[in-house]
Amino acid sequence: AQKITQTQPGMFVQEKEAVTLDCTYDTSDPSYGLFWYKQPSSGEMIFLIYQGSYDQQNATEGRYSLNFQKARKSANLVISASQLGDSAMYFCAMRDTGANSKLTFGKGITLSVRP
Amino acid sequence: NAGVTQTPKFQVLKTGQSMTLQCAQDMNHEYMSWYRQDPGMGLRLIHYSVGAGITDQGEVPNGYNVSRSTTEDFPLRLLSAAPSQTSVYFCASNTGGRSYGYTFGSGTRLTVV
Repeated sequence: AQKITQTQPGMFVQEKEAVTLDCTYDTSDPSYGLFWYKQPSSGEMIFLIYQGSYDQQNATEGRYSLNFQKARKSANLVISASQLGDSAMYFCAMRDTGANSKLTFGKGITLSVRP
Repeated sequence: NAGVTQTPKFQVLKTGQSMTLQCAQDMNHEYMSWYRQDPGMGLRLIHYSVGAGITDQGEVPNGYNVSRSTTEDFPLRLLSAAPSQTSVYFCASNTGGRSYGYTFGSGTRLTVV
């Protein structure tokens, strides 16, 4: 069974600093995709970044990058130059076994950005 | 704007009542799914569909029914509401290809009293 683990307690970061949100996963499938979503206090789910298991390079999207360490089964999200608007809940998720497969989510991490 | 539309946004039900949460997408996505979000639990999959006429159970299907008669619509039915079904419900869709853009609706906050 697929599993996503997010164990950090609530995270705090100073505005303009970088922060790393941890995610480890477990799957026996060689083909899978890893996602990060942001959920602000307004409640919507916002897609941030995607990493495929066969992608040779770490994914980047603007201030977001994914530190993908396949052997360690980790997919940490790095947010550079934090902004107040980054305060939110962040979810790591995994899709495996084909494109139509389900997303399995972690329990989420709350990030608070201090001015 | 194109996307996933969920209605209603808020609902209060009495125990034992039934209702349908609506989900519609206009992106011609084959794959649609329903999740529930509870504090400290992340999002858990209730039911999903890989195309019109095809549905399957997710992690927490008990107490819910779905059908997929068209590509656009994927309603979630609560048969006899229970307080344990108090949650925030999200509908999501995806093209079904290697595309990695799952699009989520804005959510339905359901309270069962």
